[in-house]
Amino acid sequence: DAKTTQPPSMDCAEGRAANLPCNHSTISGNEYVYWYRQIHSQGPQYIIHGLKNNETNEMASLIITEDRKSSTLILPHATLRDTAVYYCIVGPRGGTSYGKLTFGQGTILTVHP
Amino acid sequence: NAGVTQTPKFQVLKTGQSMTLQCAQDMNHEYMSWYRQDPGMGLRLIHYSVGAGITDQGEVPNGYNVSRSTTEDFPLRLLSAAPSQTSVYFCASSKGTGDGYTFGSGTRLTVV
Repeated sequence: DAKTTQPPSMDCAEGRAANLPCNHSTISGNEYVYWYRQIHSQGPQYIIHGLKNNETNEMASLIITEDRKSSTLILPHATLRDTAVYYCIVGPRGGTSYGKLTFGQGTILTVHP
Repeated sequence: NAGVTQTPKFQVLKTGQSMTLQCAQDMNHEYMSWYRQDPGMGLRLIHYSVGAGITDQGEVPNGYNVSRSTTEDFPLRLLSAAPSQTSVYFCASSKGTGDGYTFGSGTRLTVV
């Protein structure tokens, strides 16, 4: 399975954009990039996913490099409530292997007033 | 839709006791998974299912059993509880078309 590398922690000022990087240099052609976050002790929350094109939804934007070896999750206007652990995961869109999505250590994002 | 419902929310067991953590979803999702999260750690996959009647092991399956007799339910059984199984357990489900997993709120289990 492809692995991901994320910085252990990042800081961001409230109201500014938070840019969270993820390296996935061994990603295969049919694997997607998924982002989740976990606020305090709650269950993880799905944010966004993409294959090779940039994606945007109401929560965030996902920028994937052309060679697909890295990506960046962008929270355009971070708020204190965005303080959480952010997980970058690579995996298929379906099939048996989709059941085995593996979470790494993630990035602890702290948004400061 | 209630989403993913986990019961109980909290449980204390004595070493050697058995119990079942319940997980139910009402979204007709084919994929369901169980994770455990130890303090300060990431999530580790215990067991998963890609449909009714189909289950498989994840990263840390020892000491746990699962079955998937219906699409809605995916119970996790602790056979003989050990202190090392003290953790927060999360159940998740997904359609399996890349829309991501929906997680439950977790069961906090302490084994003494």
